[in-house]
Amino acid sequence: QSALTQPASVSGSPGQSITLTCTGARSDVGGYEFVSWYQQVPGTAPKLIIFDVTKRPSGVSDRFSGSKSDNTASLTISGLQAEDDADYYCSSYSHSGTLLFGGGTKLTVL
Amino acid sequence: EVQLLESGGDLVQPGGSLRLSCAVSGFTFSDYAMSWVRQAPGKGLEWVSGISKNGAKTDYADSVKGRFTISRDNSNNRLSLQMNSLSAEDTALYYCVKDRATAMVKSFDYWGQGTLVTVSS
Repeated sequence: QSALTQPASVSGSPGQSITLTCTGARSDVGGYEFVSWYQQVPGTAPKLIIFDVTKRPSGVSDRFSGSKSDNTASLTISGLQAEDDADYYCSSYSHSGTLLFGGGTKLTVL
Repeated sequence: EVQLLESGGDLVQPGGSLRLSCAVSGFTFSDYAMSWVRQAPGKGLEWVSGISKNGAKTDYADSVKGRFTISRDNSNNRLSLQMNSLSAEDTALYYCVKDRATAMVKSFDYWGQGTLVTVSS
């Protein structure tokens, strides 16, 4: 069960759009529409921001959007704000019935 | 208001056992799958185990299979994780999490605050 691959860090300026990637395999990301994204501010529990690749839970800003192409899922944050400074984790259902997380990306808002 | 309250975390010696519990409220517990997710200090998230809404189906990460057992008591709105043969690699904050769907899609819309398990001699 290898973790999904995420860049360790990404940075952007307020107002910019940035895209975080999450790379897996056909047996997980590429094979199912069960990719989720979580936002974690250090010292707090993670928060679900995208599920089923593209869907947003109620109350989550529409500045967050998800997509997928082949074995890579992406999270785009538009109109970057200081409050978006956090760690972001992707997850995907896997063919074995288990769940894989990515290693996480630290987003720094400059 | 949905609440997930974990307990049972402690300092335990290598090879020891521990039982974590999660008391839930604010939703119909028996309608949703549940899981445990852990996070080692300064590290990322790792899914540990999941259980279906009626407890009939359970899943485990390879790293804990054969050592950990997940269970649930729908009468008392409680989720548990029995952990045996603990090693230093199991040191982490353990989160109780609610699946957003009734099926085990493993997408988690509510998280507890976590309970800390430290394995050390």
